[in-house]
Amino acid sequence: QMQLVQSGAEVKKTGSSVRVFCKASGYTLTYRYVQWVRQAPGQALEWMGWITLLNGNTNYAQKLQDRVTITGDRSMSTTYMELSSLRSEDTAMYYCAVTRLPLGSDAFEIWGHGTMVTVSS
Amino acid sequence: QSVLTQPPSVSGAPGQRVTISCTGSSSNIGADYDVHWYQQLPGTAPKLLIYGNTHRPSGVPDRFSGSKSGTSASLAITWLQAEDEADYYCQSYDNGLSGSVVFGGGTKLTVL
Repeated sequence: QMQLVQSGAEVKKTGSSVRVFCKASGYTLTYRYVQWVRQAPGQALEWMGWITLLNGNTNYAQKLQDRVTITGDRSMSTTYMELSSLRSEDTAMYYCAVTRLPLGSDAFEIWGHGTMVTVSS
Repeated sequence: QSVLTQPPSVSGAPGQRVTISCTGSSSNIGADYDVHWYQQLPGTAPKLLIYGNTHRPSGVPDRFSGSKSGTSASLAITWLQAEDEADYYCQSYDNGLSGSVVFGGGTKLTVL
């Protein structure tokens, strides 16, 4: 059964960084786009960026491109999302998801369970 | 504000039909990019409901259907059931801003 397993909840100080991992189980991520999406409490989904493990190419949301870095380890079918210079407004549930097809604009077929990141001073 | 516009809330009684709209522009839905829909039950991750404008993944009841025309898309839910109460999001791609995935602001469906 295909699933995405994410790292556990994090509590971080303002100005620090957080790194969340997303590991595929039951299939390989090589030919998919791995997307990262976040959702602040009571708010809508917000796309953060994607990576394709086939060649390591990434694409980031303009709003976050100065602070977010998405990397991957194809051999481990794992991707990592790092967000730096954390602010209180970065408090959110962070999800990884995988597209159906090897296309960044495709539907997010499988979602991770989410990782709660809380930022406080 | 979200790039794709959805009504904040819709409601309907069990057995009724409801629709949720998703309005975009010429740089996303109107540029012929596909629209996808997700259902998010309280406290859970989103789940893919409709992909490629009109297609249902395996396991999604045929009470859910999607359509697209011009710069807008719609999700229709027929024979409304209590378990359909959730948040619904549309998603597409926008070729402005160096290209990016875009979501709607979400619609809360209440089953009366």
